[in-house]
Amino acid sequence: AQTVTQSQPEMSVQEAETVTLSCTYDTSENNYYLFWYKQPPSRQMILVIRQEAYKQQNATENRFSVNFQKAAKSFSLKISDSQLGDTAMYFCAFITSGTYKYIFGTGTRLKVLA
Amino acid sequence: AAGVIQSPRHLIKEKRETATLKCYPIPRHDTVYWYQQGPGQDPQFLISFYEKMQSDKGSIPDRFSAQQFSDYHSELNMSSLELGDSALYFCASSLTRPGYGYTFGSGTRLTVV
Repeated sequence: AQTVTQSQPEMSVQEAETVTLSCTYDTSENNYYLFWYKQPPSRQMILVIRQEAYKQQNATENRFSVNFQKAAKSFSLKISDSQLGDTAMYFCAFITSGTYKYIFGTGTRLKVLA
Repeated sequence: AAGVIQSPRHLIKEKRETATLKCYPIPRHDTVYWYQQGPGQDPQFLISFYEKMQSDKGSIPDRFSAQQFSDYHSELNMSSLELGDSALYFCASSLTRPGYGYTFGSGTRLTVV
């Protein structure tokens, strides 16, 4: 079975500091894609960053970067210089190549403190 | 830039009533997905359509049905509503290209009373 595990239900970080959200997954597939989605209090689901499993280089998007460890099936999200607007629920998700159905983790609620 | 449009934003229905949720995908996106997110839960996949044909089915109750129309908009029909159907219903659209990622709509919050 394909699963995504986010072991941190809640986290908090001081504004301007760095925080890392953990995600592990399980799949027997070799070709897949990993994503982090942000869901702020507005409940909108917003794509934060994506990573192709065949790429060794970690994806970076402004203050957001990932640490992708394929052998360990780990896909953590690092948020640098945290801002109050980063307060949200963060979902890790993946799609295997050939299907178009996300497998979501249960989410990590991040609160950025002023 | 155009986004995924869902209507209505909020809907209140009584038990055993019927609800219809609408989704208008991003132009030229060929795939539409429906997700249900209960309070404090992660989104659960319901059903998807590729080029107006059902492409995948998840944990969608038999009381629910969905279709995609010729203009690519999709509707989720929910009958015999139950209290447990109260949730946020997301529609997302995407291009059928591996790893493209979804664009989600803002969701319809359905409350069954």
